[in-house]
Amino acid sequence: DVKVTQSSRYLVKRTGEKVFLECVQDMDHENMFWYRQDPGLGLRLIYFSYDVKMKEKGDIPEGYSVSREKKERFSLILESASTNQTSMYLCASSLWAPGTYEQYFGPGTRLTVT
Amino acid sequence: DAKTTQPPSMDCAEGRAANLPCNHSTISGNEYVYWYRQIHSQGPQYIIHGLKNNETNEMASLIITEDRKSSTLILPHATLRDTAVYYCIVRVSDSGGGADGLTFGKGTHLIIQP
Repeated sequence: DVKVTQSSRYLVKRTGEKVFLECVQDMDHENMFWYRQDPGLGLRLIYFSYDVKMKEKGDIPEGYSVSREKKERFSLILESASTNQTSMYLCASSLWAPGTYEQYFGPGTRLTVT
Repeated sequence: DAKTTQPPSMDCAEGRAANLPCNHSTISGNEYVYWYRQIHSQGPQYIIHGLKNNETNEMASLIITEDRKSSTLILPHATLRDTAVYYCIVRVSDSGGGADGLTFGKGTHLIIQP
């Protein structure tokens, strides 16, 4: 079974702190994704990566950066956390294969910024 | 990607088959139908996808009408653990390797009654 793990299920940070969210997958997937999910706004893509050291902006990259130094690990960084970044953060991975959108998600990190 | 329409909620008795409809009347020939679900406080879970033919896996069956304008996800023997929001999405088959984000609509909240 594909396993995607995220470093924390719940996280509370203060405004202005630098926040690191880690995601690890164990299926040798090329693609990895970071989303946030908010009530009424659905799932929104922040960044994705299709290879080591490669990254592409999603729909809402402002205030975030990412790092992919190893194939299995994709990190989301909030440079200076703000209260409007309080959200559920979801990591996903998938094989690089034409026409496939079979993504496997982690359990999510519920981040609260106070 | 073509737009999808799903009922906002459905009930089903435990042990019965749950049939979840999805309308995608503007689907084009190279677009796949994907189904995901999200159990409360968990990450989304891939269920199944198809292009033209009916598909079955260990979780569910997907029935696509001949004109491809609608589909039905069937959970053959629903259990309480199948209570979740079910999302039907349509994605084009391209050469991009699937390195693209998913966008979910509001989905169908399926409630399995004991």
